[in-house]
Amino acid sequence: SYVLTQPPSVSVAPGQTARITCGGNNIGSKSVHWYQQKPGQAPVLVVYDDSDRPSGIPERFSGSNSGNTATLTISRVEAGDEADYYCQVWDSSSDHRDVVFGGGTKLTVL
Amino acid sequence: QVQLQESGPGLVKPSQTLSLTCTVSGGSISSGGYYWSWIRQHPGKGLEWIGYIYYSGSTYYNPSLKSRVTISVDTSKNQFSLKLSSVTAADTAVYYCARARSLAYYFDYWGQGTLVTVSS
Repeated sequence: SYVLTQPPSVSVAPGQTARITCGGNNIGSKSVHWYQQKPGQAPVLVVYDDSDRPSGIPERFSGSNSGNTATLTISRVEAGDEADYYCQVWDSSSDHRDVVFGGGTKLTVL
Repeated sequence: QVQLQESGPGLVKPSQTLSLTCTVSGGSISSGGYYWSWIRQHPGKGLEWIGYIYYSGSTYYNPSLKSRVTISVDTSKNQFSLKLSSVTAADTAVYYCARARSLAYYFDYWGQGTLVTVSS
């Protein structure tokens, strides 16, 4: 089965840029989606199809995907961005069609 | 605005079957174009996809849970349901229902989640 690897934690000071990676075998050939989850809340989609943003998501959130690594970038980080972030892909072949989530990254705003 | 709401028992005994229902409002399951999904999250852990169903009844399940999972849809009630059999304490989790866009497979709407505890 396909595996997505995320760092357990990332720390950044307010106003700086946070980069959260998501590693997977040839992940650049897949569409990657990112979710933000705050404590006690359901996840919220922040980036889909590698780099698109749903309506209502600030432009500070952006994504990229190439080779074996996808990256969620949060510019001008704010205290309210502190949350867990999950990447997700759709892994399909002739014999399976699976949704795969990364293990999640806790973003701490110092 | 599409809304999803999970409902069902918050406590299930070991070896019994966990049953949850997701009621969809603001959009019709029958309209097609979406996969209606169940996802769970163990306490303090990450997200685990359980499976999904299309309005036609086609289903796909996580291979690790496939032998115990059944997802069904009732288009007349605009609901879809999850049954997980032979539960153990390891099935204690927050269960979310969510909508995934077909062909794109990202989850754009989620329910608030419901905690199900497996305990005698």
